Amino acid sequence: DAKTTQPPSMDCAEGRAANLPCNHSTISGNEYVYWYRQIHSQGPQYIIHGLKNNETNEMASLIITEDRKSSTLILPHATLRDTAVYYCIVRLSISSGSARQLTFGSGTQLTVLP
Amino acid sequence: DAGVIQSPRHEVTEMGQEVTLRCKPISGHDYLFWYRQTMMRGLELLIYFNNNVPIDDSGMPEDRFSAKMPNASFSTLKIQPSEPRDSAVYFCASSGSYTEAFFGQGTRLTVV
Repeated sequence: DAKTTQPPSMDCAEGRAANLPCNHSTISGNEYVYWYRQIHSQGPQYIIHGLKNNETNEMASLIITEDRKSSTLILPHATLRDTAVYYCIVRLSISSGSARQLTFGSGTQLTVLP
Repeated sequence: DAGVIQSPRHEVTEMGQEVTLRCKPISGHDYLFWYRQTMMRGLELLIYFNNNVPIDDSGMPEDRFSAKMPNASFSTLKIQPSEPRDSAVYFCASSGSYTEAFFGQGTRLTVV
């Protein structure tokens, strides 16, 4: 799996958009960008994933640059409950039949401030 | 669905004792993963199963660790004998063939 680089920590004001960057310059053409988060004392939670088009779901939006070397996870209206470590992971799609495990880096600690 | 269920949530044991961690995956999921999380090493995959068969156990630290999945609804991770450096949070996760992984709440193990 390609390696990712994320800032170790970020702050965001409650109610504002949180924009979490991720660099994945060695991503392959058939690798997806996945985002998980881990709230303190809980297991990681899937957020969203994408290949090259921007994606949106009820939790967040994922913006992937045209060259696919970086992406941004956007939480449109951050709340205190969004305080967590956010992991950006590059991997093949689960439908590809490839290895299914997730390789976690150190992630970004997002702190939402009141 | 109740999600992935792990037990116990907390375990404190003395060095040298056997420890067994338990996991019940989400019904219908055919993949099961065991991860370990420490401050020093972050989240590490220990082993994963597909249809109850171990597929990759390269992350199992040493022979003191063993994992089994006797049926589709139950898995155990055993440490014998336990050592203080095994202290960590152990997560179990499961996924279907076309779904993302869902994680349990974890078991916090302390070996004294």
